[in-house]
Amino acid sequence: DIGMTQTPLSSPVTLGQPASISCRSSESLVHSDGNIYLSWLQQRPGQPPRVLIQKVSNRLSGVPDRFTGSGAGSDFTLKINRVEAEDVGIYYCMQGTHFPWTFGQGTRVEIK
Amino acid sequence: QVQLQQWGAGLLKPSETLSLTCAVYGGSVSGHYWSWIRQAPGKGLEWIVEINQSGTTNSNPSLKSRVVTSVDTSKNQFYLKVTSVTAADTAVYYCAKVDLGIFSFWGQGTPVTVSS
Repeated sequence: DIGMTQTPLSSPVTLGQPASISCRSSESLVHSDGNIYLSWLQQRPGQPPRVLIQKVSNRLSGVPDRFTGSGAGSDFTLKINRVEAEDVGIYYCMQGTHFPWTFGQGTRVEIK
Repeated sequence: QVQLQQWGAGLLKPSETLSLTCAVYGGSVSGHYWSWIRQAPGKGLEWIVEINQSGTTNSNPSLKSRVVTSVDTSKNQFYLKVTSVTAADTAVYYCAKVDLGIFSFWGQGTPVTVSS
C-alpha cells in the first residue's frame, strides 16, 4: 500500500494567518495516464469529508481560492491563505493513483 | 447535484454481518464507480471497495475476504456487506461517488458499533 504521511498533525493558526500542510507519499503518484491523482479533503466536525483539491492543484467548484494545492512526484502541499473560522477541521490528503487508495493521517487545523 | 442517502443496522454483535445501503439521487448509478469508506472512532479514513454497474470491483486487501458489494440499477442503489465483524469494524461508514480518483459526493455516514 502507498503510505501517505502528513505533517504537521496539528496546526493551531491565528485567524487571518496562513496555514500549510505537507503530504508525502511512499511512492510516486504518477498514474500510467500521466495524471497525479492526489487530492485534499476537508472534514468539518460532525460532517463527512469533502474534496477541496483534485489532481494536486485543481480546486473543485465552490472551494474558496484561499485554498491552494501544489506539488509533484511524491511531495505535496495544501496552503490556506488567511485562515477563517469555517476552516476549522481535519484535512486529509488522499492518493487515487494506486489501489488500494489511501489517505494521510489527517491534520487538525484549529484557531489559536 | 448528486445526493447519496445511506442506511443500515447500527449495532451488531461480533461475528454478525454488517449490511448497508446507499441510494443515489440526482444521477444514475450506471456509468460510474461507487465506493465505501470507513472511519473508526477518532481515526482516519480507510477506503474499502469500489463497484460499477457491471459489478466490476476493486477492493482493499485488508478487508477483501470479508467484503461483498453489489449494485441494483433498477433501484439506483448500491450495497455493502462485511461478514464476521469484530470490534475493529466499529466505525462510521460512508458511501461515495468516484470521479477521476476522487470521492466527489459523500453520503451522510452510518455509525456502526460492534459490541457483545
